[in-house]
Amino acid sequence: EAGVAQSPRYKIIEKRQSVAFWCNPISGHATLYWYQQILGQGPKLLIQFQNNGVVDDSQLPKDRFSAERLKGVDSTLKIQPAKLEDSAVYLCASSFSGQGKLFFGSGTQLSVL
Amino acid sequence: SQQGEEDPQALSIQEGENATMNCSYKTSINNLQWYRQNSGRGLVHLILIRSNEREKHSGRLRVTLDTSKKSSSLLITASRAADTASYFCAFYMRFGAGTRLTVKP
Repeated sequence: EAGVAQSPRYKIIEKRQSVAFWCNPISGHATLYWYQQILGQGPKLLIQFQNNGVVDDSQLPKDRFSAERLKGVDSTLKIQPAKLEDSAVYLCASSFSGQGKLFFGSGTQLSVL
Repeated sequence: SQQGEEDPQALSIQEGENATMNCSYKTSINNLQWYRQNSGRGLVHLILIRSNEREKHSGRLRVTLDTSKKSSSLLITASRAADTASYFCAFYMRFGAGTRLTVKP
């Protein structure tokens, strides 16, 4: 069974540039999550999708972050413009149901210089 | 707040010893999950315990849940160097800061 796929693995950009991350969840998983994990901290939930609808985006900095999940399958997370404090690992996860076990991708490590 | 607090922040033990990590929370929960993370990348699910359960086992892992005290614990028995990782509790898909476990050979 294929796991959660994320790309790219690494991204280095300068502040004020834009960046996008892609995630393809496990087939059949209706729920998709994006997390931000700053070094030394736990993952912080940014946004949760159920199919192609947003369930929770209360912690998403909407002035610069956006996410979409068209067709209820893969998803993109965008940052525009990036700030130094956005340097983190961005993790995508999926689950069969909204309260169940999460399957994580390997993440994208973003460095903002 | 909707996230747990793990204790201790860091734990260092010798191979073969047991490791216990605790998670406290403030809200009512439906279930609580424990995850492991190696090298700061993808997390791996360990155990899910429902609010009506008091204890669950999986191999060398034992998780307890005390809803009256709003706390959970993760016990790893007979630890191995490969257990070195960060361990997180999670509920409502929110994670705490984690416990960094180091198992010395």
